[in-house]
Amino acid sequence: GAVVSQHPSRVICKSGTSVKIECRSLDFQATTMFWYRQFPKQSLMLMATSNEGSKATYEQGVEKDKFLINHASLTLSTLTVTSAHPEDSSFYICSARDQREGQPNQPQHFGDGTRLSIL
Amino acid sequence: QQPVQSPQAVILREGEDAVINCSSSKALYSVHWYRQKHGEAPVFLMILLKGGEQKGHEKISASFNEKKQQSSLYLTASQLSYSGTYFCGTASGGSNYKLTFGKGTLLTVNP
Repeated sequence: GAVVSQHPSRVICKSGTSVKIECRSLDFQATTMFWYRQFPKQSLMLMATSNEGSKATYEQGVEKDKFLINHASLTLSTLTVTSAHPEDSSFYICSARDQREGQPNQPQHFGDGTRLSIL
Repeated sequence: QQPVQSPQAVILREGEDAVINCSSSKALYSVHWYRQKHGEAPVFLMILLKGGEQKGHEKISASFNEKKQQSSLYLTASQLSYSGTYFCGTASGGSNYKLTFGKGTLLTVNP
């Protein structure tokens, strides 16, 4: 089945540091990938949709300059949390689905997530 | 718009059944069900696409009533491994696909 790999799994860093998280689709190509954020005991909130070769689509209330998204290839999307502060500490999860022709209505598969802790 | 899940939490003894509901105020194209264990990423359970469609996965099944914009997840003869938070995700049709998740239902199965 479709596999999504996310790296790193955990980051602990000082306030003001920028952190890059990678999301890869391992056995399929993904023209779009999705970035979610989850606070403890809460739901998964969609932050943005990453589009290969074009700008990401951000959800309302998500700062574009704070959360930089790059989708340079069909198998890789990156999320960079710029100048991170303690309030950015959260569980960040990427997701993708196989959209090949002849594969309609495929489920979204999630990476293992990145637990970000800003001191 | 975020779908509404109920109940928020349920506690079962091993072998008991449970139903988790998911409803939306928007017309739905598909409903996706996931289970997430503490500290882990969500794991896909099933996707329902058609009105009235029912799908099964071991002792976990689900239905989708397109007209009522509702879906229900049925867990029968629950096992300890079923414990976790269950999320329904809803997607509208069209080119602007995105999956919006409910707040989740915490299921605890005790021996």
